[in-house]
Amino acid sequence: DGGITQSPKYLFRKEGQNVTLSCEQNLNHDAMYWYRQDPGQGLRLIYYSQIVNDFQKGDIAEGYSVSREKKESFPLTVTSAQKNPTAFYLCASKPSGSSHEQFFGPGTRLTVL
Amino acid sequence: AQSVTQLGSHVSVSEGALVLLRCNYSSSVPPYLFWYVQYPNQGLQLLLKYTSAATLVKGINGFEAEFKKSETSFHLTKPSAHMSDAAEYFCAVNSDTGRRALTFGSGTRLQVQP
Repeated sequence: DGGITQSPKYLFRKEGQNVTLSCEQNLNHDAMYWYRQDPGQGLRLIYYSQIVNDFQKGDIAEGYSVSREKKESFPLTVTSAQKNPTAFYLCASKPSGSSHEQFFGPGTRLTVL
Repeated sequence: AQSVTQLGSHVSVSEGALVLLRCNYSSSVPPYLFWYVQYPNQGLQLLLKYTSAATLVKGINGFEAEFKKSETSFHLTKPSAHMSDAAEYFCAVNSDTGRRALTFGSGTRLQVQP
């Protein structure tokens, strides 16, 4: 089955700890994205990558970091510098070409205790 | 830069009634427009997309949307609401060819009353 997987589905973190969210896709898509979702605010872009070994900051990159060492994988690290990390995080991927839609994973809900 | 405005954060309809969810966009170039649906604690699923072919776009689950350039709108409709349509709906635009990322509206939560 082709698709996007995110793990874990629920994640709890103590203040001051870094945590890494996993995102894997087997759709052979070039581009991958991380979004943060908060109630009433829609989705906001954190980071995106259009090709392996390259990534760009989105609108709310502060306190986050990413890597893109493999085409299939785009992990997101939420660092202790992120002031308010409790949110629902969504990973997406897309084929090349502007007209194509993004395909979304099931999401990870991060809660800081 | 592009932007999306969804009028009405909450919409409530009766089962069997017309569903109308509003979306207006701003873009300096011809846009590609998308409607996604999200059920609680899940990812987003594509309902339909406009990519400059027909202005009336049909999607899954009986939904459709009409692209109106003069009104910069892409409203989502369904003739008869079903209880299973209760979810959050997001409109998105992708017209910034440099960044190639979607800009989302803030979402509309649809409630369907029996």
